[in-house]
Amino acid sequence: AQTVTQSQPEMSVQEAETVTLSCTYDTSESDYYLFWYKQPPSRQMILVIRQEAYKQQNATENRFSVNFQKAAKSFSLKISDSQLGDAAMYFCAYRSSPYGGSQGNLIFGKGTKLSVKP
Amino acid sequence: NAGVMQNPRHLVRRRGQEARLRCSPMKGHSHVYWYRQLPEEGLKFMVYLQKENIIDESGMPKERFSAEFPKEGPSILRIQQVVRGDSAAYFCASSPVVAGASYEQYFGPGTRLTVT
Repeated sequence: AQTVTQSQPEMSVQEAETVTLSCTYDTSESDYYLFWYKQPPSRQMILVIRQEAYKQQNATENRFSVNFQKAAKSFSLKISDSQLGDAAMYFCAYRSSPYGGSQGNLIFGKGTKLSVKP
Repeated sequence: NAGVMQNPRHLVRRRGQEARLRCSPMKGHSHVYWYRQLPEEGLKFMVYLQKENIIDESGMPKERFSAEFPKEGPSILRIQQVVRGDSAAYFCASSPVVAGASYEQYFGPGTRLTVT
């Protein structure tokens, strides 16, 4: 079974600085998707960024980028120019490829609570 | 395009009562997933449904929990005879189907269930 591990329960960053959140996963599959979700105090789950395992290029969305190391099964999230609105819980999630017969449910890590200091 | 809607947002039930949580997927989405988030935890998969069909309920507790997604109307997650341990946030996500495969999941705001 696949597992997702986030080893940093809490992180803190100064406004305008850069922070990296870690995520590792375990799988025997070769085709899958990885996601980072943000959960602010409102509890709404917001998709931040997604990475397809078959793509070597790291995904980027504005100030958010990932460092995807497939061989090491590592998927870290870098937030540049941190803003107060970035403060939230961040969850790393894994999903098997839908073409392999998977039902597509997400497997989440336990989350990292990010604080942003003004 | 309205997002995934869940109601109620907050639900308080006494031990032994029934809880019904509703989820209306985004327009055009035919797949629904339910997840549960216990305090200080990540989301855990419960059940995956298509219209009138349960595809995967491997994450659902064997007793007291059931889910449906009728041809018309929202998906319902039903918890009978609630206990304190059922207190959690329950999230619904919907997904479109492209070429027979389910892709992105869009989450609703969740229902926070409190059992007293």
